[in-house]
Amino acid sequence: EVQLVESGGGLIQPGGSLRLSCAASGFTVNSNYMSWVRQAPGKGLEWVSIIYSGGSTYYADSVKGRFTISRDNSKNTVFLQMSSLRAEDTAVYYCARATSITTIFDYWGQGTLVTVSS
Amino acid sequence: DIQMTQSPSSLSASVGDRVTITCRASQSIDSYLNWYQQKPGKAPKLLIYAASSLQSGVPSRFSGNRSGTDFTLTISSLDPEDSATYYCQQCYNNPTFGGGTKVEIK
Repeated sequence: EVQLVESGGGLIQPGGSLRLSCAASGFTVNSNYMSWVRQAPGKGLEWVSIIYSGGSTYYADSVKGRFTISRDNSKNTVFLQMSSLRAEDTAVYYCARATSITTIFDYWGQGTLVTVSS
Repeated sequence: DIQMTQSPSSLSASVGDRVTITCRASQSIDSYLNWYQQKPGKAPKLLIYAASSLQSGVPSRFSGNRSGTDFTLTISSLDPEDSATYYCQQCYNNPTFGGGTKVEIK
């Protein structure tokens, strides 16, 4: 059974850093595209970042230069390192698996809440 | 970036009604369009992929269609459990989502 479990969210001050983790089971993260999608309170979905099976990474303009996606194949886990956090980064962050062909998000984690506030 | 414009932003319909949600892409995306359902406090769930393919386990009352850069999600007979927010998403290049459509039951 495919499962994605996010962790690492919490309350952080503006300008701070946080690392989110997404532990996967039932498949291998390096065989699929893995992505982070966020949702600000009461708002819609916003794609944040993706790491392809080959290792290429891409980011939304809103986080480029501040966030870094990576994976640890030995732990079957994907990470999102977030730095220079802003109030507008406050959101539930979802980890999502995409097919290895295109970004159809077929499995999602339960989400982890990041609150950026002083 | 490809913009996805979804309409309406909300609707209210009765059980058994036929409901249609529209999503328009700002440029050609072929059939690289997916639909998701999200209930409050839950993660999104894939309903339709590649514009018209039904994800495994999704009820057949859900269907998707494409006409050029216009896409529709149709619920043929609204069920109480369909109360949710629906999002389109293009996967032609870096993903973008539509703004969402909240479906309420009268």
